[in-house]
Amino acid sequence: DVKVTQSSRYLVKRTGEKVFLECVQDMDHENMFWYRQDPGLGLRLIYFSYDVKMKEKGDIPEGYSVSREKKERFSLILESASTNQTSMYLCASSFLTDREQYFGPGTRLTVL
Amino acid sequence: RKEVEQDPGPFNVPEGATVAFNCTYSNSASQSFFWYRQDCRKEPKLLMSVYSSGNEDGRFTAQLNRASQYISLLIRDSKLSDSATYLCVVNRGYQKVTFGTGTKLQVIP
Repeated sequence: DVKVTQSSRYLVKRTGEKVFLECVQDMDHENMFWYRQDPGLGLRLIYFSYDVKMKEKGDIPEGYSVSREKKERFSLILESASTNQTSMYLCASSFLTDREQYFGPGTRLTVL
Repeated sequence: RKEVEQDPGPFNVPEGATVAFNCTYSNSASQSFFWYRQDCRKEPKLLMSVYSSGNEDGRFTAQLNRASQYISLLIRDSKLSDSATYLCVVNRGYQKVTFGTGTKLQVIP
């Protein structure tokens, strides 16, 4: 069974803080993804990575950066958190980019 | 026009009923298609892939209509445990994965 874990289920931060969200997968998948999910907007892709140290912007990369130093780990960084980044953040991994994705349990981030 | 469109519902159906959802997509170059299920406050999980020839998994049947650019999901003999949001996913190949906003199903006793 594929397992994708995320560092926190719930996080509360203040405006302007730097926020790190970590994701780890144990299936040796090449591809990893970060999404945010908001009511009425569905899942929107922030960034994805197809290999170590490689990254590609998704649909809404502004205000975010990512890091992939090891194959199993993909981090999402909010350099200076803002209230409009309050959301559910979901990490996913897949063996191939056009195959099914396996999701972590999500991190509900609140920025005050 | 949105890349992927779903009726948000909610669909309220009695136990044992048959219910169908459609999902339309705008890009004819789309290559692979999936249905995911998402329970309240949980992560999405793959329900089934959708193949050109249609495919069935127990009470669930998925179909693809390339000419009309839609995929469908049919659930027979609905169970209370089928209550969830069903997400349609369309993949245009490398990097281009789009999730629909989901259709909410509530199965009523």
